[in-house]
Amino acid sequence: AQTVTQSQPEMSVQEAETVTLSCTYDTSESDYYLFWYKQPPSRQMILVIRQEAYKQQNATENRFSVNFQKAAKSFSLKISDSQLGDAAMYFCAYRSYGNQFYFGTGTSLTVIP
Amino acid sequence: DVKVTQSSRYLVKRTGEKVFLECVQDMDHENMFWYRQDPGLGLRLIYFSYDVKMKEKGDIPEGYSVSREKKERFSLILESASTNQTSMYLCASTLGPSGSNEQFFGPGTRLTVL
Repeated sequence: AQTVTQSQPEMSVQEAETVTLSCTYDTSESDYYLFWYKQPPSRQMILVIRQEAYKQQNATENRFSVNFQKAAKSFSLKISDSQLGDAAMYFCAYRSYGNQFYFGTGTSLTVIP
Repeated sequence: DVKVTQSSRYLVKRTGEKVFLECVQDMDHENMFWYRQDPGLGLRLIYFSYDVKMKEKGDIPEGYSVSREKKERFSLILESASTNQTSMYLCASTLGPSGSNEQFFGPGTRLTVL
């Protein structure tokens, strides 16, 4: 089974600053997808951003962007201009063709006013 | 918008009880999943289903079973609840096996077994 590692259990950032959350994964497949999910304190998990492994260009969604390094099997999330509403648990996830997703253990992000 | 609903936000049961957690999605998704979420362990897959009446074991199926009689509904069953099954349970669905399809999650059920 693929493994996804998030080595930062907790992170904090000052409001309006930039923070980067790390994620690495282990796979022997060449075609797959990577996701970042956000779980606010209300607990509903939502998708933040998605990256296709065959695309070299890093995905961007407004203030959220990724740094995808396929050779290094690294997939970090950058949050720019952090806002109080960004405070949440963030999960990195991997999926190849098929049915199963593999999740990391999560990073709890605190935004300091 | 896809909506995934779970029957209860909070549930308290006693050891040995049979527990049913229900999940319903309204977007005709083929795949449905049950996870449990524990601090420091992330999301661990219990079971998933890729079609009606089909099911596959995930990473931690012991002590659980599932039922999918209709496409929109996926039930998780704890045959005899134990205290170590106290956890947050998340249901999710996705359109199909294509890797690009994201999962949509329900709000979760916080189960406490006394």
